[in-house]
Amino acid sequence: DQQVKQNSPSLSVQEGRISILNCDYTNSMFDYFLWYKKYPAEGPTFLISISSIKDKNEDGRFTVFLNKSAKHLSLHIVPSQPGDSAVYFCAASAYGTSGSRLTFGEGTQLTVNP
Amino acid sequence: DTEVTQTPKHLVMGMTNKKSLKCEQHMGHRAMYWYKQKAKKPPELMFVYSYEKLSINESVPSRFSPECPNSSLLNLHLHALQPEDSALYLCASSQDFDGDNQPQHFGDGTRLSIL
Repeated sequence: DQQVKQNSPSLSVQEGRISILNCDYTNSMFDYFLWYKKYPAEGPTFLISISSIKDKNEDGRFTVFLNKSAKHLSLHIVPSQPGDSAVYFCAASAYGTSGSRLTFGEGTQLTVNP
Repeated sequence: DTEVTQTPKHLVMGMTNKKSLKCEQHMGHRAMYWYKQKAKKPPELMFVYSYEKLSINESVPSRFSPECPNSSLLNLHLHALQPEDSALYLCASSQDFDGDNQPQHFGDGTRLSIL
């Protein structure tokens, strides 16, 4: 049972435009959500997170939106840059039931074309 | 630059060898993790150490043996591995395991190949 799903294996956008990566979850106990970026031959890099008490968190070009009723979150990158090309993983945790244990989605390969 | 350092970056070993992977962090984190990642798949949790004690073992085969010598170091001892154990092994750390809203920070991993 996949509790965190990223339904788009890949996404291609033009430099300067908006990239929107989506993530759905099924476990209503999840209360903390994270996005990681991964380049080949490197470990995942923490990008941005959001607590379930918020619906938006912004950090520079990156904004994460959380819709709890739809069990959906998205990562917006504006403007997209070629250096943003990487695999993006959505992850979630449920405080109190499993500590900081993360459940990951399958990842979305983002390609930003110059 | 990653604040979690893993050595070696690459390791090739035979099925009868014994080797160790090392991980170090100096962020004062009290939780450390080992993950295994196969190509085009998300990381899979193997072990969690909290305050230098093993908290979680995700039913990992005994040919993988973790060790936490102190709060900054985490080792993974390997013995009699199988070809299917070839993967990227990632170490991560977080402030602590039972805290709320804490991201895990990953090292760059050790690329392990079993001949």
